[in-house]
Amino acid sequence: QKEVEQNSGPLSVPEGAIASLNCTYSDRGSQSFFWYRQYSGKSPELIMSIYSNGDKEDGRFTAQLNKASQYVSLLIRDSQPSDSATYLCAVGTNFGNEKLTFGTGTRLTIIP
Amino acid sequence: DGGITQSPKYLFRKEGQNVTLSCEQNLNHDAMYWYRQDPGQGLRLIYYSQIVNDFQKGDIAEGYSVSREKKESFPLTVTSAQKNPTAFYLCASRPGTGSNQPQHFGDGTRLSIL
Repeated sequence: QKEVEQNSGPLSVPEGAIASLNCTYSDRGSQSFFWYRQYSGKSPELIMSIYSNGDKEDGRFTAQLNKASQYVSLLIRDSQPSDSATYLCAVGTNFGNEKLTFGTGTRLTIIP
Repeated sequence: DGGITQSPKYLFRKEGQNVTLSCEQNLNHDAMYWYRQDPGQGLRLIYYSQIVNDFQKGDIAEGYSVSREKKESFPLTVTSAQKNPTAFYLCASRPGTGSNQPQHFGDGTRLSIL
């Protein structure tokens, strides 16, 4: 059974600080990694994808992947109240990522 | 505008009734997916289809059925055999095999039992 684990939170971070979200996965063959943001009552929205070890930056977001340790993280710099949401980690087991396994999500609250 | 359209947004099912959730995409994507999300939970895969006239069971297919007669459409039927259908249902699509492009989601359908 492929598993993706996330700390369910809630994680509270002061406005302007860095929020750090973590995800571990069990399948060593995993090739594709995604972070989705889900506001309450809404559908998930893709915010980052990463396929190679190291860091990938997009604006205030940085995804970090370490395949040897089987974890992927998301850093949000200069956190804003609009970043308050649940963040879902998703892992694809091959490069074509026909199927994704999702974690249960981490609920993030940015405190003004 | 290109996107994934799910309808209806809210749906109520009576005991013993089958209901069908619609998912249409105009992105020319080959692959389409149906997920179920329960409160405080992640997404669980119900069915997926990588090409017209073909589909595969996901992790929780019991009590559900699908069809893929057209590339742009992937309807989900929640049958009376699904005893706990109350959930948020999400449809997703992606370009298909040979591409590492991620899945994108429609706005979802909330299903409740009357």
